[in-house]
Amino acid sequence: DFVMTQSPDSLAVSLGERATINCKSSRSVLSSADNKNYLAWFQQKPGQPPKLLIYWASTRESGVPDRFSGSGSGTDFTLTISSLQAEDVAVYYCHQYHSDPLTFGGGTKVEIK
Amino acid sequence: ERQLVESGGDLVQPGGSLRLSCAASGFNIDKYWMNWVRQAPGKGLEWVSNIRSDGSEKIYVDSVKGRFTISRDNAKNSMYLQMNSLRAEDTAVYYCAGGTGWIMDVWGRGTLVTVSS
Repeated sequence: DFVMTQSPDSLAVSLGERATINCKSSRSVLSSADNKNYLAWFQQKPGQPPKLLIYWASTRESGVPDRFSGSGSGTDFTLTISSLQAEDVAVYYCHQYHSDPLTFGGGTKVEIK
Repeated sequence: ERQLVESGGDLVQPGGSLRLSCAASGFNIDKYWMNWVRQAPGKGLEWVSNIRSDGSEKIYVDSVKGRFTISRDNAKNSMYLQMNSLRAEDTAVYYCAGGTGWIMDVWGRGTLVTVSS
């Protein structure tokens, strides 16, 4: 199975500052068939279902603000919120859809400092 | 607007059974892979199962193999999860989610399954 490890478990960032979340996969999620990284990021606010933010490691879902960006390849990935807003308080999960069983990281809780 | 609505969650005794439903509106699921993802209270996300758009392929996480069965009825624009031999560790909010390929870009709000005596 692909084990997804996120760091940190939580972080507190001042409004307008940058937040960076890391995700490491135990195996590469880069497909040799299409040269795509099968890695997504989700945002989950309290009492709500997860919301897709990023797929193919760096493609922003329609309607997602451009302060959210994804980067990385192979086994190491990053989600960056360039200027944290109050509405970004949430838990963020990385997710690999390269192979079954599909797996998620443990989540990173983002709060306002 | 694409929507998914889950139903069927309940309190059930260990060893019992439950059938969850997921109804889609605003789009047709017949081109979508559909998934069940669960979240135990205060915990992270765990993918449970998915089914190909035509129902020809079904995949499960090891912990539910032989106990859970995923199915779909594209004519009714719906998906289902039959859960048998339920255990306390199956207690969770169960979300249905779908998308192109294995990318889950539309989610329901979830239904709570509680397994307890």
